[in-house]
Amino acid sequence: RKEVEQDPGPFNVPEGATVAFNCTYSNSASQSFFWYRQDCRKEPKLLMSVYSSGNEDGRFTAQLNRASQYISLLIRDSKLSDSATYLCVVNGASGGYNKLIFGAGTRLAVHP
Amino acid sequence: DGGITQSPKYLFRKEGQNVTLSCEQNLNHDAMYWYRQDPGQGLRLIYYSQIVNDFQKGDIAEGYSVSREKKESFPLTVTSAQKNPTAFYLCASRMTGVGQPQHFGDGTRLSIL
Repeated sequence: RKEVEQDPGPFNVPEGATVAFNCTYSNSASQSFFWYRQDCRKEPKLLMSVYSSGNEDGRFTAQLNRASQYISLLIRDSKLSDSATYLCVVNGASGGYNKLIFGAGTRLAVHP
Repeated sequence: DGGITQSPKYLFRKEGQNVTLSCEQNLNHDAMYWYRQDPGQGLRLIYYSQIVNDFQKGDIAEGYSVSREKKESFPLTVTSAQKNPTAFYLCASRMTGVGQPQHFGDGTRLSIL
């Protein structure tokens, strides 16, 4: 089983739609959770950290479910500029807290 | 302007040649990382370093070497033993501790001539 698993997509949605991605992780001791965004042929950029109580940043909402070991990202009112690959990131089991494990990513394509 | 600088942006390697990719950060981060990304694939960890003069192998270290002589610098050498080096190489750094995210440089694209 991979340490971090994501549905690769692609998710094809119209502008204005609401879309949700899930991510599962295998290490129950993980304490750091993030969502990154990666545009084609660019470096990943931090979208938001994920906190235990859930958190929101504008149109983006992240949730953490420790019992089921999954993280979600909800995007409301999708824009064309949201088209990208979204990476789920969790701190790893080996190497302690300093090693972050990246999921393979979920592709989102927003169309007019 | 704080950040992570990778150079060069594009690099070409001849058969049997070693090449070195540069990564410098002025964020005062303790930990630094090298990843490889192939087209349409996720990130794979090559090496990481938590403090100066110390580093650990990641998942795909064979054919690569690193050094960490200074806190700011973590160069990656792609040796001739790496038979399929064509990829996008990303360097990252972070503060150590729970909840600290990684910050990435803008990458180096390596191709074989």
